[in-house]
Parts: sequence; structure tokens; C-alpha cells
Amino acid sequence: GAGVSQTPSNKVTEKGKYVELRCDPISGHTALYWYRQSLGQGPEFLIYFQGTGAADDSGLPNDRFFAVRPEGSVSTLKIQRTERGDSAVYLCASSLSRVVDTQYFGPGTRLTVL
Amino acid sequence: DAKTTQPNSMESNEEEPVHLPCNHSTISGTDYIHWYRQLPSQGPEYVIHGLTSNVNNRMASLAIAEDRKSSTLILHRATLRDAAVYYCILLSFGNEKLTFGTGTRLTIIP
Repeated sequence: GAGVSQTPSNKVTEKGKYVELRCDPISGHTALYWYRQSLGQGPEFLIYFQGTGAADDSGLPNDRFFAVRPEGSVSTLKIQRTERGDSAVYLCASSLSRVVDTQYFGPGTRLTVL
Repeated sequence: DAKTTQPNSMESNEEEPVHLPCNHSTISGTDYIHWYRQLPSQGPEYVIHGLTSNVNNRMASLAIAEDRKSSTLILHRATLRDAAVYYCILLSFGNEKLTFGTGTRLTIIP
């Protein structure tokens, strides 16, 4: 079946601009996660949804970052007033439930802020 | 949060077994031991997980020490496609987010 998909695969933007990154989870997966991976580092947790609600947003670095999942399926990560330090690969994962289940990752969106 | 410690890098010859160690001396009784790997330019991929008993699946085996303070991921016959960064992660109910750390970069020598 179809895995987790993320669009766009690459995004180049200028400092100060607004960007949206989209994640389509595996059908039927209620849990959805966003991670960020900087060059040479392991992925870093940003936010976790259970259904439509954000169950844990403790990893969002500041209030420029926001994520939604209005219908409990597709999620959008929104970054306002982008900074060069936001450049990274943004990874999305989904799992069947919240109970320490396997997380299936998408290929990521590479964001470059010039 | 309970943390894990892994060697930064390891090398292995192709078609030989590989043993990747992980220390988690502060593990709690409800922590599951998960292993993920990340191939170059890809998202992480689940490998295996366990709680107390050793586990086997088509990809690998997981050997868990009796005191659960360490574990070893075993690739029985490494191939070039197993070259990746391997992450040992602890997860528990109420703490489902993956904390990756730096992992072990595995290089397979042809």
C-alpha cells in the first residue's frame, strides 16, 4: 500500500517568507509526527498529533512554527518568517495508534532558506 | 527521559554478522527498546523492538540483557544495503516521540 508521502520534496525560500509543508499519512493511521533533521544530526521531534489534536507540541522551537491536522488525516507544518537556521529536512511519520507503535516515515521535505 | 549510548561508528565485512551495541543503564520497567535505521537520503525505517525477551524478525535479531541495561542489534549477514545509521531508542506509554541521538554509522566493506 501507499506509504507516507510529503510534498514538496524540496523547497527553497527567502528569509522572512512563509512556507507550508504537507504530510499525507498512511490511510487509517491515527497518530502523526513531525521531526526535523539538520545536516549530520539525528531527527529531532517537533510535534505529535493523535487524531485532529496536538497531543504533544513540546518540540516546536518557537511560535513561528505551527502545525494542523484538521480532519485527522493530512497535516500541514507552517513556518512563518523563515530564518536561515530553519534550513533542514522536515520528516513526517505516522503510526496506527499512540501505543508505542511502529512509526512509518516519509521521505522528507528539504527546506532551504536563503 | 532514559537515554541510550551507542558507538559513533562501526565497520563490518559484507556477508558477515554485525553486532551493534546499545547501553541504556537508566531504562525503566515500562520502556520498550526500539531500533530504527536511516539509509542515506531516506527517512528512518523501523527495524525491530522488544521489552524483555530476545526478538527476531526478517530484518534482524534483538538481544536484550537480563538486567535490560543494554541490548544488541544483530544483523545476521550484512549486505551493502545495510549501510546506514542505526538508532537505539527507548519508548514508553505516554512518551511515544522518538528521541534519536547520534546513532551508530555502520559501514559495510565489500
